[in-house]
Amino acid sequence: NAGVTQTPKFQVLKTGQSMTLQCAQDMNHEYMSWYRQDPGMGLRLIHYSVGAGITDQGEVPNGYNVSRSTTEDFPLRLLSAAPSQTSVYFCASSKGTGVGETQYFGPGTRLLVL
Amino acid sequence: DQQVKQNSPSLSVQEGRISILNCDYTNSMFDYFLWYKKYPAEGPTFLISISSIKDKNEDGRFTVFLNKSAKHLSLHIVPSQPGDSAVYFCAAFRGRAAGNKLTFGGGTRVLVKP
Repeated sequence: NAGVTQTPKFQVLKTGQSMTLQCAQDMNHEYMSWYRQDPGMGLRLIHYSVGAGITDQGEVPNGYNVSRSTTEDFPLRLLSAAPSQTSVYFCASSKGTGVGETQYFGPGTRLLVL
Repeated sequence: DQQVKQNSPSLSVQEGRISILNCDYTNSMFDYFLWYKKYPAEGPTFLISISSIKDKNEDGRFTVFLNKSAKHLSLHIVPSQPGDSAVYFCAAFRGRAAGNKLTFGGGTRVLVKP
């Protein structure tokens, strides 16, 4: 199993550009989520999905869109990039949504918005 | 308003000694608490967890203690090894009613000196 994979590893965008961060998992996990990590802030939840066709907002959803057309993939779209979206983005998945389900994280995408 | 706080951004300890990482939370509705470890350029990996109905959980060199009345948990690493040098995140979990979300603290960077 490859686990959770993310592409690209690093991206530079100009303000106003759009892009899609890709996330895929091969563990047949129901639950997938996107976090951003900023210094001193820990990881903050952007959007999550409890299964194909179902998505919901997390703590910091503004400026981001998601969709979940398959169990495996959960792309994150930046509609119009802003410097405040400079961050490291992590995708995570877990088998279910029960208490204490371990989440498996991808290696991250480092995004710089100029 | 951060619901999960790690007040020590960094910790330096000698190899073989004990590392104690602390975490405070404000929301008494959290069901489960987890610690994640993160190396540079990698995603966080699950380390150890504890249910809100317990006060201690041990796994090898790692022990997590939970003091519900004080809304405080701690991670003990004994003995500390150079490979333990990483950033450690405390996380708190709320179940289905709250969207199965993990709320992370800001992290503590641990340096174990040989």
